[in-house]
Amino acid sequence: AQSVTQLDSQVPVFEEAPVELRCNYSSSVSVYLFWYVQYPNQGLQLLLKYLSGSTLVKGINGFEAEFNKSQTSFHLRKPSVHISDTAEYFCAVRRYNFNKFYFGSGTKLNVKP
Amino acid sequence: EAGVVQSPRYKIIEKKQPVAFWCNPISGHNTLYWYRQNLGQGPELLIRYENEEAVDDSQLPKDRFSAERLKGVDSTLKIQPAELGDSAVYLCASSLDTSLVAEQFFGPGTRLTVL
Repeated sequence: AQSVTQLDSQVPVFEEAPVELRCNYSSSVSVYLFWYVQYPNQGLQLLLKYLSGSTLVKGINGFEAEFNKSQTSFHLRKPSVHISDTAEYFCAVRRYNFNKFYFGSGTKLNVKP
Repeated sequence: EAGVVQSPRYKIIEKKQPVAFWCNPISGHNTLYWYRQNLGQGPELLIRYENEEAVDDSQLPKDRFSAERLKGVDSTLKIQPAELGDSAVYLCASSLDTSLVAEQFFGPGTRLTVL
């Protein structure tokens, strides 16, 4: 079975500061990895995904994530956050041969002026 | 292009009452998903349709939940009777198909409160 752990439920940060949202997963098989963002009263939106190739993945809005197989992690980073990045961020995994997503419990990013 | 449409956006009912949620996926999307998102948690898949066929309903509590996707387009999720523990946000998503390159697009969800 797959599981996804987002270690921080809330992350407060000041505007223009860097941020890292942590995600660890466990799986007995190879997986694909995703980050989604959910703005208040909106549906989830795909930020970026890792399928294969380079372990550093760049997404929308200046976010990037690095896949670390040995540490089973897929942490999300942004070098300088904006007020508009305030949202909840979800990490998700999907097995190679099975179309089912497993989501973490989410991390609320609160960017302060 | 319109995104995934869900209605109602909010619903408050008393326990033991029935409730239904409606989803209209993005035009042309063959795959439709219903998720439940409990407070403070990530979405959990309830059921996945490929066209009109339910191909994964292993997490759907079949004693009280039912879903249908007539004609492979719109879908309805029903709960009868609702219990207090059903309070959650119910999300609908759609994708062109089930390949990895097919992104899931999520609707805004229906927030259900059972009193």
